[in-house]
Amino acid sequence: DAGITQSPRHKVTETGTPVTLRCHQTENHRYMYWYRQDPGHGLRLIHYSYGVKDTDKGEVSDGYSVSRSKTEDFLLTLESATSSQTSVYFCAISGGQQDIQYFGAGTRLSVL
Amino acid sequence: AQSVTQLGSHVSVSEGALVLLRCNYSSSVPPYLFWYVQYPNQGLQLLLKYTTGATLVKGINGFEAEFKKSETSFHLTKPSAHMSDAAEYFCAVTYSGGGADGLTFGKGTHLIIQP
Repeated sequence: DAGITQSPRHKVTETGTPVTLRCHQTENHRYMYWYRQDPGHGLRLIHYSYGVKDTDKGEVSDGYSVSRSKTEDFLLTLESATSSQTSVYFCAISGGQQDIQYFGAGTRLSVL
Repeated sequence: AQSVTQLGSHVSVSEGALVLLRCNYSSSVPPYLFWYVQYPNQGLQLLLKYTTGATLVKGINGFEAEFKKSETSFHLTKPSAHMSDAAEYFCAVTYSGGGADGLTFGKGTHLIIQP
């Protein structure tokens, strides 16, 4: 998985609770991304980062926030989880704007 | 805005038969195109990519794809299917000159290999 670690790999939580997912890379890549995967929708971009403390919104950013205080870590936070955020979340990294994106193994989140 | 359409959410072929997975894109600027494969409970793995140059692109595991600008297509093919090819396949697009704003994915095609 190209030096990408997502944690936790599985999480079950309750509606209304905060949740933070972590993506850690050892490749020193500049760009990091969070996607969610849902049946019938493929992967959709939530947020991305183009450097430390530099982040921007993707297609489905409502209800999510991100932070990147170090090159190697990109955090995705659900401030108050909802059942619609039950999904598989993937982190990806890239060394350049049009370079290949390498994906982590994913985090399966269930919000009950 | 860019978009990707993958025709057929499920495609079934016999082992040894030709595999053809269709992808059409919409982009107002020259695209960069990718095919990824996802095996059950795993992340996505790059099969091949097109950026510039030769329009026929060869990837891993015997797959190839041809960029056809006039048809706005980037179909994935493999001459002879193996049982190990059973997986989910995603076509994705970004564009040259764009920022680091991620890939736009199709909804995926589940490839089923019949013995």
